[in-house]
Amino acid sequence: TQLLEQSPQFLSIQEGENLTVYCNSSSVFSSLQWYRQEPGEGPVLLVTVVTGGEVKKLKRLTFQFGDARKDSSLHITAAQPGDTGLYLCAGGVRSQGNLIFGKGTKLSVKP
Amino acid sequence: ETGVTQSPTHLIKTRGQQVTLRCSSQSGHNTVSWYQQALGQGPQFIFQYYREEENGRGNFPPRFSGLQFPNYSSELNVNALELDDSALYLCASGGGLAGRGAYNEQFFGPGTRLTVL
Repeated sequence: TQLLEQSPQFLSIQEGENLTVYCNSSSVFSSLQWYRQEPGEGPVLLVTVVTGGEVKKLKRLTFQFGDARKDSSLHITAAQPGDTGLYLCAGGVRSQGNLIFGKGTKLSVKP
Repeated sequence: ETGVTQSPTHLIKTRGQQVTLRCSSQSGHNTVSWYQQALGQGPQFIFQYYREEENGRGNFPPRFSGLQFPNYSSELNVNALELDDSALYLCASGGGLAGRGAYNEQFFGPGTRLTVL
């Protein structure tokens, strides 16, 4: 069974701080996606990484895919209240149609 | 470009009833997947449809069934509702054979919040 473990589960920080969210598995994925979800809404795709060691930047967000394609991290620089939300990582396997999600990291950024 | 839409937004049913949830895929996409998201959990894969046929199924009982129509819209049907079926049901669409390609990218609708009493 493929599982994705996210840590931390909850994170409460002050505006301007930096943070990193981790997504780990014992399984290899062909792609890894990060989503952000607001309460009562569907997840919104932030980024897809597909190559081991790949790093992608989206403004203040930096995403990295592990060399072995089993783990990923999301780093936010100078967090803002607008970054508040549930961050989900999801792994895809080339031969399967579904995504496997972690339980998410609930981020709260206080002004 | 039209995004993924779902209806209804909220629904309240009682145990034992049946429910149908609807989804319209994003323009240009031809796969549709359904996920169940319980409170405090990540989404769990129910099934995916491609070319109107089921193309993969998660660990859900047969009382969860679906349909995909020629216009790529989709339905999720749940029979004999149980209290544990209370959740946010998410529809996601992808281009081509999502999951057969390299990226598995899927784009989600806003979800239907189902409450079973």
